[in-house]
Amino acid sequence: DTGVSQDPRHKITKRGQNVTFRCDPISEHNRLYWYRQTLGQGPEFLTYFQNEAQLEKSRLLSDRFSAERPKGSFSTLEIQRTEQGDSAMYLCASTPFLSGSYEQYFGPGTRLTVT
Amino acid sequence: SQQGEEDPQALSIQEGENATMNCSYKTSINNLQWYRQNSGRGLVHLILIRSNEREKHSGRLRVTLDTSKKSSSLLITASRAADTASYFCATDAIGANSKLTFGKGITLSVRP
Repeated sequence: DTGVSQDPRHKITKRGQNVTFRCDPISEHNRLYWYRQTLGQGPEFLTYFQNEAQLEKSRLLSDRFSAERPKGSFSTLEIQRTEQGDSAMYLCASTPFLSGSYEQYFGPGTRLTVT
Repeated sequence: SQQGEEDPQALSIQEGENATMNCSYKTSINNLQWYRQNSGRGLVHLILIRSNEREKHSGRLRVTLDTSKKSSSLLITASRAADTASYFCATDAIGANSKLTFGKGITLSVRP
């Protein structure tokens, strides 16, 4: 399977705990995006990387959120001191930006539930 | 914030009928894309139409774009029960570095 993969698929945590999600993009896709989707809404942009450089962060990404993409391959999204409002589906997408093709390939998402 | 507004919010049709979904947006765009999402799953890219294109086809899908009205429509012909899903339009706005802004989505139910 050469699609975008995300791990874990589901995460239940208690308020105040830290969680980390991983995204493995399609090989050689140099752009990687993180989105958050709550029930009944469309995905909302959080941040994106071009290779290992984090180029933009949304205002939605508070100081408790941090994302990395070491070596320009997989990416991690960490949420510290989780709050109930963080409960959502976290989606990762990648795209081969250099080719001029801009469709994004999404992973299955990580569903976070904060109790 | 979400730029796109899809219409209707929900659509229920009989298998074999055509489904038309509309999307309006607010800013100038490089392209507009439609995605499908099955319940609790990730998004699947359906079709991309660039700002200089007016109509595009892919299999049973036909998408139109009217940049003067800032609107797009997605037509699914000869619908199947397997087309039951949520459909989202997403815009790649000029100057947005290809990050996508999604609407709230349309829930399509195709009755067998």
